[in-house]
Amino acid sequence: DTEVTQTPKHLVMGMTNKKSLKCEQHMGHRAMYWYKQKAKKPPELMFVYSYEKLSINESVPSRFSPECPNSSLLNLHLHALQPEDSALYLCASSQGEGDQPQHFGDGTRLSIL
Amino acid sequence: KQEVTQIPAALSVPEGENLVLNCSFTDSAIYNLQWFRQDPGKGLTSLLLIQSSQREQTSGRLNASLDKSSGRSTLYIAASQPGDSATYLCAVSGRDQGAQKLVFGQGTRLTINP
Repeated sequence: DTEVTQTPKHLVMGMTNKKSLKCEQHMGHRAMYWYKQKAKKPPELMFVYSYEKLSINESVPSRFSPECPNSSLLNLHLHALQPEDSALYLCASSQGEGDQPQHFGDGTRLSIL
Repeated sequence: KQEVTQIPAALSVPEGENLVLNCSFTDSAIYNLQWFRQDPGKGLTSLLLIQSSQREQTSGRLNASLDKSSGRSTLYIAASQPGDSATYLCAVSGRDQGAQKLVFGQGTRLTINP
C-alpha cells in the first residue's frame, strides 16, 4: 500500500465546476509535489511545496490553485478546466531537499467533459 | 537543458531471463538518479535512488548503476518474473533545474511472458 493517499481516485467534472484534489502523507515529509501525467507520457511537475511554502510553480495556468494547509496535507483546487486538462494527477512527497527519494500516491484520474 | 532518454521504449522477454534497461542523460551535473516502476493506472513506485557520488545501488533482484561522466545509468533485473511487467521510468535531479525537480525519461514498457 502506498504511504501517500490521494482522493478521490476518479473525478469527472464539467468545465464550469469547482472541485479539489486532496493528498495526505504521514511520513513526516516536508516537501510535497503535484504532477500531471498524460497517457503514455512521463509525469510533468506542476508545483512544489517545501516546509508548507510554495517553492516551485512550473508556469501552471491559474485555473489550478495549490494549497498546503499543513505539513501532511496538499490540495489542488480546480476551476474552469479545459478538456486538455484531463489526465492523471499525482501527488508525491519527500523528506526535504532533492537528495531524498520522492514517494508517489496512486493519483486521481481526472476527466473534463 | 537536461534531457533524459530511455532505450528501448518497449521490451518483451520470457520469464527467468536477466535483462538490462538503459537510461541516458545529457547534463552530468546531477544530484541523483531515481528508478521508478509504474503499473497501469497507478502511481510511481520508487525502486532505487543513486546519489551522484555513488556507482550503484541494489535491492533484491534489482541493481542500478550510475556512470555520471558518460551520462548513463542501467537497471539490471535478475531472474525476471511476470510480476515485473510494468513501465520503468528513470528520473534525474540536477543543478541546472534544482534538486527538487525531477526530469523523467519516456519510460521502458516491460513485458515478462510466462
